[in-house]
Amino acid sequence: GAVVSQHPSRVICKSGTSVKIECRSLDFQATTMFWYRQFPKQSLMLMATSNEGSKATYEQGVEKDKFLINHASLTLSTLTVTSAHPEDSSFYICSARIPDAGYTFGSGTRLTVV
Amino acid sequence: GENVEQHPSTLSVQEGDSAVIKCTYSDSASNYFPWYKQELGKRPQLIIDIRSNVGEKKDQRIAVTLNKTAKHFSLHITETQPEDSAVYFCAASKSTSGTYKYIFGTGTRLKVLA
Repeated sequence: GAVVSQHPSRVICKSGTSVKIECRSLDFQATTMFWYRQFPKQSLMLMATSNEGSKATYEQGVEKDKFLINHASLTLSTLTVTSAHPEDSSFYICSARIPDAGYTFGSGTRLTVV
Repeated sequence: GENVEQHPSTLSVQEGDSAVIKCTYSDSASNYFPWYKQELGKRPQLIIDIRSNVGEKKDQRIAVTLNKTAKHFSLHITETQPEDSAVYFCAASKSTSGTYKYIFGTGTRLKVLA
């Protein structure tokens, strides 16, 4: 079935560096991709909605200059955490709509900033 | 703003017993209500969903009920098994320009005791 492939699954980076997370839709075109953040034992918080070929829409309180989203093609959306700090450590997960079949999630990326 | 409350936050049941998780949403325009199961460190998996034109939906041991007037919906798991142990999230959404934006509940950690 339709799958969203998310990479990397885990990443450890130094404070101040940037990290890019990729989500690719396999076997379908994802015109819209949602990016979520999930803290331990908490729910998924929507960060932004990315649309292919246009600027992402960010939720209130999410810094767009810190969390850069690019959706340059119908099968790829990326989230770049810039100048990462320890408080950015979290589980990041994307979700895309499968045509006529609801939404599917990527496998998630656990980011640890040291 | 839009909000989804979910209760209880933790739930322990004996194997074979039933489990019920309840969610209340604030946006009366919400018309689609999926339930997700998330095992530790893994992606959320859709287990059942219901649309606003239906009051109840069942799939084997899992059922969902919706009360639009009261703006709440519930997940019912019967004959629980140890493999049902996971975190369950409800979500409420509505279509905006053809895109569903999910607002997730806070999650329920279900433990099924053997």
